[in-house]
Amino acid sequence: AQSVTQLGSHVSVSEGALVLLRCNYSSSVPPYLFWYVQYPNQGLQLLLKYTTGATLVKGINGFEAEFKKSETSFHLTKPSAHMSDAAEYFCAVRGNPNDYKLSFGAGTTVTVRA
Amino acid sequence: SQTIHQWPATLVQPVGSPLSLECTVEGTSNPNLYWYRQAAGRGLQLLFYSVGIGQISSEVPQNLSASRPQDRQFILSSKKLLLSDSGFYLCAWRRQLETQYFGPGTRLLVL
Repeated sequence: AQSVTQLGSHVSVSEGALVLLRCNYSSSVPPYLFWYVQYPNQGLQLLLKYTTGATLVKGINGFEAEFKKSETSFHLTKPSAHMSDAAEYFCAVRGNPNDYKLSFGAGTTVTVRA
Repeated sequence: SQTIHQWPATLVQPVGSPLSLECTVEGTSNPNLYWYRQAAGRGLQLLFYSVGIGQISSEVPQNLSASRPQDRQFILSSKKLLLSDSGFYLCAWRRQLETQYFGPGTRLLVL
């Protein structure tokens, strides 16, 4: 079975500061990893995903994540936070391409201070 | 391109009333379809998924049921709503081997 743990349910950053959201996964097979963002009262939007190949993945809105197998991590970063980054972020894992289900973390809420 | 619709966007229902939420996908065929629920302050809980017409898998025992009468239509239902059914309901779709994409959600408040 696969699972993810997001460290920190709330993160507060200043505008222009680094955003770092932590995600650790557990998987018995090489994982497929995802980050989604959810703005208030909206659905989830895919930020980026890792399947195979390059371990540094770039996504939308200036976010990127690095897959580190040795640390079983897939942390999400953005060098400079913008007010529009205030949202909830979810990490998710799928065990293999044929697996129907994603396992989601509990989510991290990001607030951005002016 | 593919789009996913959910309606209604918001719903307020009394306890004991029935429920029907609808999700439709356009621009694809034979998608995998999913229903999730987000309760206040909690993460996403997978309720049901479907790999084809009439094929429904339930993830957790509950007061809800799902149906897939057409290839791109997924319905979430209840005969009698409970207070604990309140939450934000998200539908998602996926084509084989690809990413899950989510709809805009339905906010349900049971009073």
